[in-house]
Amino acid sequence: RKEVEQDPGPFNVPEGATVAFNCTYSNSASQSFFWYRQDCRKEPKLLMSVYSSGNEDGRFTAQLNRASQYISLLIRDSKLSDSATYLCVVTSPNTGNQFYFGTGTSLTVIP
Amino acid sequence: DGGITQSPKYLFRKEGQNVTLSCEQNLNHDAMYWYRQDPGQGLRLIYYSQIVNDFQKGDIAEGYSVSREKKESFPLTVTSAQKNPTAFYLCASSIDEGSSYNEQFFGPGTRLTVL
Repeated sequence: RKEVEQDPGPFNVPEGATVAFNCTYSNSASQSFFWYRQDCRKEPKLLMSVYSSGNEDGRFTAQLNRASQYISLLIRDSKLSDSATYLCVVTSPNTGNQFYFGTGTSLTVIP
Repeated sequence: DGGITQSPKYLFRKEGQNVTLSCEQNLNHDAMYWYRQDPGQGLRLIYYSQIVNDFQKGDIAEGYSVSREKKESFPLTVTSAQKNPTAFYLCASSIDEGSSYNEQFFGPGTRLTVL
């Protein structure tokens, strides 16, 4: 079973739409969670960390559900510049807090 | 500016040749990592290093080798034993590998194509 699973999409949404991505993880002992953004043929960059209480940064909201072992990312009022692949990351204390990456969810925001 | 540099950006090699990918960081980070990314797959960990002169195998270390002689440098050699070396290689660093709360910062990557 994979450590992290994501719906690969693609998600094609119009400008101004709200879109949500989910990511499930298999290790209940996982401690840290992140969302990274990766533009085409570029390196991943941290979008936001995911805290137990949930956190918000402008149009982006991240949530953690430990009971169901998933994290989510909500993007409100989508912009053309939000088009990218969003990677879910989970760390595992069993392997020295190694980062495990999901395969990514592709988002295209359409004018 | 602080950051991570990787060179070259694109690399072409003939099958059977060893090739070394460069990774340098001036962030004063202790931990450094090498990942490979293939289409439709997540990043997979090749090797990581928590401290100078020490490194550990990741999930897909076979056919690769690394060294960590200096804190700021973590070169990766793709050997002829690697069966499918064509991929996008990403180097990353973090303040401390032991803490799960530290984000990893990535270099721009090297695209290796083996002909």
